[in-house]
Amino acid sequence: GENVEQHPSTLSVQEGDSAVIKCTYSDSASNYFPWYKQELGKGPQLIIDIRSNVGEKKDQRIAVTLNKTAKHFSLHITETQPEDSAVYFCAASMDWKFYFGSGTKLNVKP
Amino acid sequence: DGGITQSPKYLFRKEGQNVTLSCEQNLNHDAMYWYRQDPGQGLRLIYYSQIVNDFQKGDIAEGYSVSREKKESFPLTVTSAQKNPTAFYLCASSISASGELFFGEGSRLTVL
Repeated sequence: GENVEQHPSTLSVQEGDSAVIKCTYSDSASNYFPWYKQELGKGPQLIIDIRSNVGEKKDQRIAVTLNKTAKHFSLHITETQPEDSAVYFCAASMDWKFYFGSGTKLNVKP
Repeated sequence: DGGITQSPKYLFRKEGQNVTLSCEQNLNHDAMYWYRQDPGQGLRLIYYSQIVNDFQKGDIAEGYSVSREKKESFPLTVTSAQKNPTAFYLCASSISASGELFFGEGSRLTVL
């Protein structure tokens, strides 16, 4: 099956700095790559996603890039704010199944 | 409001007891999923269902059972055969094979 690896496991940045989280996947058949934000004690919420026919997607302060050849994709958050502090998960999807990375705990220091 | 409702939010169980976690969605989604989340780990797939009266095992199905008698409901039973059931359980649904996955707020099960 698919294997998704996510790095780093924890990330601490100063407010206003950028944050980058990276994921790799193993199965070239994966064709959909969402990113989720999870706050303590809650369910994950989709923040951005990208499909295999697109290389980059942006939504205000967040962006995702996909390199299909290298099988990796990244989340970029610019101008970080304290409310960005949460756990972020990447995922790869194919054939109705979603495979998740182990998560990155982002801490934005005021 | 459309969404996914999980209940109960917190559940305590004695060893040897079966418990059932409820998941209801009003999004008219065909697919529903159950994930388990342990501290510091990602989400692991327990079971999923693409259509009513059909479901498939995920990566960690042992000790769990599900049913899908109605499109909007996908309950999960944690049986006494599950050796380490204490975890955070998340239900999700999706409209298609690679559509957005919507999550409920989770159910935290603690075995005493």
